[in-house]
Amino acid sequence: NAGVTQTPKFQVLKTGQSMTLQCAQDMNHNSMYWYRQDPGMGLRLIYYSASEGTTDKGEVPNGYNVSRLNKREFSLRLESAAPSQTSVYFCASSGWDGLGNYGYTFGSGTRLTVV
Amino acid sequence: GIQVEQSPPDLILQEGANSTLRCNFSDSVNNLQWFHQNPWGQLINLFYIPSGTKQNGRLSATTVATERYSLLYISSSQTTDSGVYFCAVERVGETSGSRLTFGEGTQLTVNP
Repeated sequence: NAGVTQTPKFQVLKTGQSMTLQCAQDMNHNSMYWYRQDPGMGLRLIYYSASEGTTDKGEVPNGYNVSRLNKREFSLRLESAAPSQTSVYFCASSGWDGLGNYGYTFGSGTRLTVV
Repeated sequence: GIQVEQSPPDLILQEGANSTLRCNFSDSVNNLQWFHQNPWGQLINLFYIPSGTKQNGRLSATTVATERYSLLYISSSQTTDSGVYFCAVERVGETSGSRLTFGEGTQLTVNP
């Protein structure tokens, strides 16, 4: 099935540990994103990539790095995890559908807890 | 940055009732999306509607760009409509697919 796949689904880290969240899309979209969602809030943009080879900071980039490995893959790295980074992380991709609609497809989320 | 306000924050309905969710935004937009997040956390894109009206089954959306608001209508609600509805916008001048700003959502509960 076409869509966005992100791994892992759950992760517990100790403060100071590092990890990489993986994301891959098979929608042939140019744009990809990483968002975080905290309880009772909307999504906040961490980083986005408008095309292969480019990345830009979003609203809350501090403590994160990203890599747009190719058109399909966009990874998010936490170099030194902090409790404030406990959140649910969503990867997404977007593009035109050929019928004049600009649509977004989201992964199923990664629930990260930093202790 | 652009401000997005959604109302009401919470809505409880009986199955079969109709509802209207509102999204106000503070600047001109070239991209407005409505999303549904189900109780299991999955986000589904409902509408791309920077202006005008669209319908998809029991759901329809209208955006009045000149007055900076959008409405999402749910008719004959079902328990499966429960979840959080998000409005998200991109300001004019931003490249499509860059800075989508989300509102805080409307939590909808549909009781049987």
